Amino acid sequence: DTEVTQTPKHLVMGMTNKKSLKCEQHMGHRAMYWYKQKAKKPPELMFVYSYEKLSINESVPSRFSPECPNSSLLNLHLHALQPEDSALYLCASSQEMVGASGNTIYFGEGSWLTVV
Amino acid sequence: AQKVTQAQTEISVVEKEDVTLDCVYETRDTTYYLFWYKQPPSGELVFLIRRNSFDEQNEISGRYSWNFQKSTSSFNFTITASQVVDSAVYFCALRGDRGSTLGRLYFGRGTQLTVWP
Repeated sequence: DTEVTQTPKHLVMGMTNKKSLKCEQHMGHRAMYWYKQKAKKPPELMFVYSYEKLSINESVPSRFSPECPNSSLLNLHLHALQPEDSALYLCASSQEMVGASGNTIYFGEGSWLTVV
Repeated sequence: AQKVTQAQTEISVVEKEDVTLDCVYETRDTTYYLFWYKQPPSGELVFLIRRNSFDEQNEISGRYSWNFQKSTSSFNFTITASQVVDSAVYFCALRGDRGSTLGRLYFGRGTQLTVWP
C-alpha cells in the first residue's frame, strides 16, 4: 500500500468552481511533488516543494496554486480550470530533493480530475 | 540533456511467457539514477527499482530482473513467467543530481504490457 495518500480519488468540477486536491505523507520526507498525467502519456512535473518551500514551478498556469502547510501536507488549489486540465494528478514525495539518499520518489494513487 | 527512450509502445504476451521491456537513456551527468515504475489501470505509480549510475550490478527480485549496462546506456527489465496481474504500463525514468536536472524525474513514454490468460 502506498504511504502517500491523496484525496479525493475522483473530482468533477465546473469551470467556475474552486476545489482543492490534498496529499499527505508520513514517511518524514522533506520533498513533495505534484505531477500531471494525461491519458497514454508519462507524468509531467508541475511543482516541487523542498522543506516546505517552493523550489520548482514548471511554468504552470496560475489557475493551479500549490500550498505546503507543513512537511506532511501538500495541497493543489484549483480555480477557473479548463476542460483540457482534465487529467490524473499525482502527488509524490522523497526523503529530500537532492542527494543519493533522497532519490527515490514515491507516488500516491492519484486524483482523477474531470473539468466540465 | 536528459532523455529516456522506451521504443516498445505496446507488448502482448501469453501467461507464463518471459518478456523484456527495453529502456535506453541519455545523460551528461556522471552521477544519475534510473528507475522503473509500474502503473496499473488504477493510476498509482508503483516504484519497482532504483539503480545508481555507479552500481552496475544486475538485480533479481522474484520474477523480476533488471539488466543495467552503462556501455550501451540501457536499463532493461525482464519479467519471467508473466502473469495477468503484470498487465500495466511500465515507465523507465532517469533522475540527475545537479544543475537544471535537480529534482526532476525524466520519464520514458511508457510500455503498455498486456498479459493474456
